[in-house]
Amino acid sequence: SQQGEEDPQALSIQEGENATMNCSYKTSINNLQWYRQNSGRGLVHLILIRSNEREKHSGRLRVTLDTSKKSSSLLITASRAADTASYFCATDEYGNKLVFGAGTILRVKS
Amino acid sequence: NAGVTQTPKFQVLKTGQSMTLQCAQDMNHEYMSWYRQDPGMGLRLIHYSVGAGITDQGEVPNGYNVSRSTTEDFPLRLLSAAPSQTSVYFCASSQRLTGEQFFGPGTRLTVL
Repeated sequence: SQQGEEDPQALSIQEGENATMNCSYKTSINNLQWYRQNSGRGLVHLILIRSNEREKHSGRLRVTLDTSKKSSSLLITASRAADTASYFCATDEYGNKLVFGAGTILRVKS
Repeated sequence: NAGVTQTPKFQVLKTGQSMTLQCAQDMNHEYMSWYRQDPGMGLRLIHYSVGAGITDQGEVPNGYNVSRSTTEDFPLRLLSAAPSQTSVYFCASSQRLTGEQFFGPGTRLTVL
């Protein structure tokens, strides 16, 4: 399989807590992206980080990239019930196509 | 802008039937892709297109056919539906092939 891997598979936290999910990939990349999918809906792009960047912020989202470990993490700070969704990473490690991970299911309890 | 639209939202087929899933985008994106999403497996690329008249296979192309006669439309054809094609299908468009993808709402297909 060409899929990347994410962990944990599922995460349940209280509103206001931080959520961290991780993504690993197999070969070299130009960029890594994170997407959110609400139940029954299409994916929505959150953030893109290039291989020469180590950290990127967007609102309450913080993404880090460690190319030496071939891994990335997505941190959502001060989580809200509306953050409940599945989160996917995607890389271009096979050149002309994006490879998506299996996703992390995040549940934020209010 | 409507973004990426897909029809139908839901479809039930019998084994052996054929059908076309429609996808359209109004963002003038050159690149369009079809993915299928199965439980626990993320998204897998079926076919993609880098412009009108140009298509190529993704990771799981067998049993599917595509064409791209205009920039806006990228239909996916199931030639002879099989139960293994039961899935949720997403169309996406982008300005760069491996850049930010804009996804449609999906088509939930069940093959009996």
